[in-house]
Amino acid sequence: DTAVSQTPKYLVTQMGNDKSIKCEQNLGHDTMYWYKQDSKKFLKIMFSYNNKELIINETVPNRFSPKSPDKAHLNLHINSLELGDSAVYFCASSQGSRNTEAFFGQGTRLTVV
Amino acid sequence: KQEVTQIPAALSVPEGENLVLNCSFTDSAIYNLQWFRQDPGKGLTSLLLIQSSQREQTSGRLNASLDKSSGRSTLYIAASQPGDSATYLCAVRNTNAGKSTFGDGTTLTVKP
Repeated sequence: DTAVSQTPKYLVTQMGNDKSIKCEQNLGHDTMYWYKQDSKKFLKIMFSYNNKELIINETVPNRFSPKSPDKAHLNLHINSLELGDSAVYFCASSQGSRNTEAFFGQGTRLTVV
Repeated sequence: KQEVTQIPAALSVPEGENLVLNCSFTDSAIYNLQWFRQDPGKGLTSLLLIQSSQREQTSGRLNASLDKSSGRSTLYIAASQPGDSATYLCAVRNTNAGKSTFGDGTTLTVKP
């Protein structure tokens, strides 16, 4: 019974394509996040949503657009994919954005060729 | 801007040894600090969460400490086992906007 699930797990696509990664959490949390882990394994936050509202938007190209249809879902849409977008993308959730534990999905390995 | 540093970047020990992983951060205005484990090609597994008001947390062979004033946390692993081999990440949740900043991780190898 997965708490935070992402689909797909692997995604290989050509430059210039548009792709989406889906994330769902069944923990009843109100805050969800997207993180990017680059080839050097460094994890950096991209976006955070609280109750479907964007609260954190780091310096991310506007080709990346998060969409939160409800509290349990935060999808990441990427337009005009570039080689440098290749990374592992992690979704996470927590109850509130303060002193609670964050739970992570298994990651989506995106490879742009 | 919060910066999180983990030392060492890599560590190799024989099975059975006790070891300490270090995490330091520059901004002490935090809600909590969380230690994660990441296996190759896998997601992040939460190990321990220490609130800013706490000094340490324990789970099995793991003990994490937090000294907020000096901006440091340690993860102590007792009686290490080959199954402990993984990358260990610390993440600090800042009080501004609640985002977490991750360190680069320490890659641990425990040899049988």
